[in-house]
Amino acid sequence: TQLLEQSPQFLSIQEGENLTVYCNSSSVFSSLQWYRQEPGEGPVLLVTVVTGGEVKKLKRLTFQFGDARKDSSLHITAAQPGDTGLYLCAGARGNTGKLIFGQGTTLQVKP
Amino acid sequence: SAVISQKPSRDICQRGTSLTIQCQVDSQVTMMFWYRQQPGQSLTLIATANQGSEATYESGFVIDKFPISRPNLTFSTLTVSNMSPEDSSIYLCSVAPPGGPGNTIYFGEGSWLTVV
Repeated sequence: TQLLEQSPQFLSIQEGENLTVYCNSSSVFSSLQWYRQEPGEGPVLLVTVVTGGEVKKLKRLTFQFGDARKDSSLHITAAQPGDTGLYLCAGARGNTGKLIFGQGTTLQVKP
Repeated sequence: SAVISQKPSRDICQRGTSLTIQCQVDSQVTMMFWYRQQPGQSLTLIATANQGSEATYESGFVIDKFPISRPNLTFSTLTVSNMSPEDSSIYLCSVAPPGGPGNTIYFGEGSWLTVV
């Protein structure tokens, strides 16, 4: 059973466009983390959101944690080719440190 | 944050052999984990590496196949035993340094194993 549904799984857009990636669950998470992974490398942490309704911005990236802490979104404004990669959301339950990952979103930004 | 070093970064292994992956962290951490990422897939937790005691395995993973050692708070190893082509994956070490918000988890660069 996939506890964290991530969508879309693939996205190909032109440079300058905006996009949103969603992570949804029926379960409550104590925190949710977003990672970006490039081929042949490990996931690199982008942000951790902890509080329901929290919004965090990282340059052109905006992350939101749902009020009920069951869902999250990542919005990229004016995408650039350097944004190309695999984006992963991961939810944590309690303080175990264990993460449940979404399926990932492969983003391709064409110049 | 934490700096996590994994060895080897890549290897090509013969079917039936075993390979041990090392994970070294630049600071003491209580929580250390091993994940697997099969080709084109997301990450799946294999086990929690417990310092001074046996690792805690997730459903579908067993100690005989994936023995784990954790001799201290900065180092762990994962062995992939009796490998088959289905074990071709990236194996990732991760840690949760103390003090991070919501148990922020950091990953090493991964060990990319190809079994032939």
